[in-house]
Amino acid sequence: DAGVTQSPTHLIKTRGQQVTLRCSPKSGHDTVSWYQQALGQGPQFIFQYYEEEERQRGNFPDRFSGHQFPNYSSELNVNALLLGDSALYLCASSFYDRAAYEQYFGPGTRLTVT
Amino acid sequence: GNSVTQMEGPVTLSEEAFLTINCTYTATGYPSLFWYVQYPGEGLQLLLKATKADDKGSNKGFEATYRKETTSFHLEKGSVQVSDSAVYFCALSKSITSFGTGTRLQVTL
Repeated sequence: DAGVTQSPTHLIKTRGQQVTLRCSPKSGHDTVSWYQQALGQGPQFIFQYYEEEERQRGNFPDRFSGHQFPNYSSELNVNALLLGDSALYLCASSFYDRAAYEQYFGPGTRLTVT
Repeated sequence: GNSVTQMEGPVTLSEEAFLTINCTYTATGYPSLFWYVQYPGEGLQLLLKATKADDKGSNKGFEATYRKETTSFHLEKGSVQVSDSAVYFCALSKSITSFGTGTRLQVTL
């Protein structure tokens, strides 16, 4: 079992550009949640996907959007990048009915916006 | 809303010292409580959890007890090692997970 995988590991973008981050959940998991971790801070919940729909959303602007595919993998898209979007983006997977009790985190994608 | 407050770091200890990292929470109902650890340049690893009041989570010598009356979930370890140096996050979850700001632990020889 490969666990939760994320790609790419690092990337650098310029203000105003768009970025797509990818996440493959742990085998068997059907729910993917995305978090943003700014430097020196705790992760902040962005949104959660289950059955290809956004189920819950944190306090993030519409520039942040996502998608879940039939194989449960997920993408996080960020449009019109701002310098403040520089962060570690973490993906977590779980079973939907156990999301509150058990989720597994990937290694993250470090995004730098210049 | 749900939130977690944990003691600020950094916490610097000598090897074999006793560790306590305080964590208190605010939530409606009965959330699950977690401690996660993050080593430099890595993602989050679940350290331990407790899903109901008075439960004790434990792993790798670390322990924390879910105290509903004091809304606390303090992390303890009797004898820390240099390899325990990392950032520790307290978190709660009902449907989504809310994290504290993290406490950096540095253990020296």
